[in-house]
Amino acid sequence: NAGVTQTPKFQVLKTGQSMTLQCAQDMNHNSMYWYRQDPGMGLRLIYYSASEGTTDKGEVPNGYNVSRLNKREFSLRLESAAPSQTSVYFCASSDSRARIQTQYFGPGTRLLVL
Amino acid sequence: KQEVTQIPAALSVPEGENLVLNCSFTDSAIYNLQWFRQDPGKGLTSLLLIQSSQREQTSGRLNASLDKSSGRSTLYIAASQPGDSATYLCAGNSNSGYALNFGKGTSLLVTP
Repeated sequence: NAGVTQTPKFQVLKTGQSMTLQCAQDMNHNSMYWYRQDPGMGLRLIYYSASEGTTDKGEVPNGYNVSRLNKREFSLRLESAAPSQTSVYFCASSDSRARIQTQYFGPGTRLLVL
Repeated sequence: KQEVTQIPAALSVPEGENLVLNCSFTDSAIYNLQWFRQDPGKGLTSLLLIQSSQREQTSGRLNASLDKSSGRSTLYIAASQPGDSATYLCAGNSNSGYALNFGKGTSLLVTP
């Protein structure tokens, strides 16, 4: 099992450009999450998807959109990147039906917006 | 929303010492409390998860406890090693399937 995979690993964008961060999990989990990690701020939730076909806003959703393409994949889109979106983005998944609901994280995407 | 605080922000200890990392949370109706390790430039690795019905979990040299009434969790690391150097993150959620609320972490340095 690969667990949670994310692409790309690194990306540099210019202000106003758009891009999509990809996330996939092979653990048959129903819940998936997008977090961002900034120095001094800790990890903050951007969006989450409790199940295929549903998405909900987290703490910092402005400037982002998400798509739960199927059970395996959950993408995060920046329509018009801003320097404030420079961050490390982590995708995670969990099985909310399980007795032990460990969240598993991907390796992260490091994004720099100039 | 579950607010999570970790103290201290940084800690340096000599190899071999036993140490305790602290985590506090605001909502006693916590569902899961999870401890992670993060190495520089890397993702998060889950260490231990304590369910609301449990008081502690152990894995090797690690022991995590949960006291819901006081809103506290501790991560105990026995016989610390330089390889334990990393940032340790505490996170909790208030319901099944909910996203985690993270503390800002404790950066641990174990010196040889």
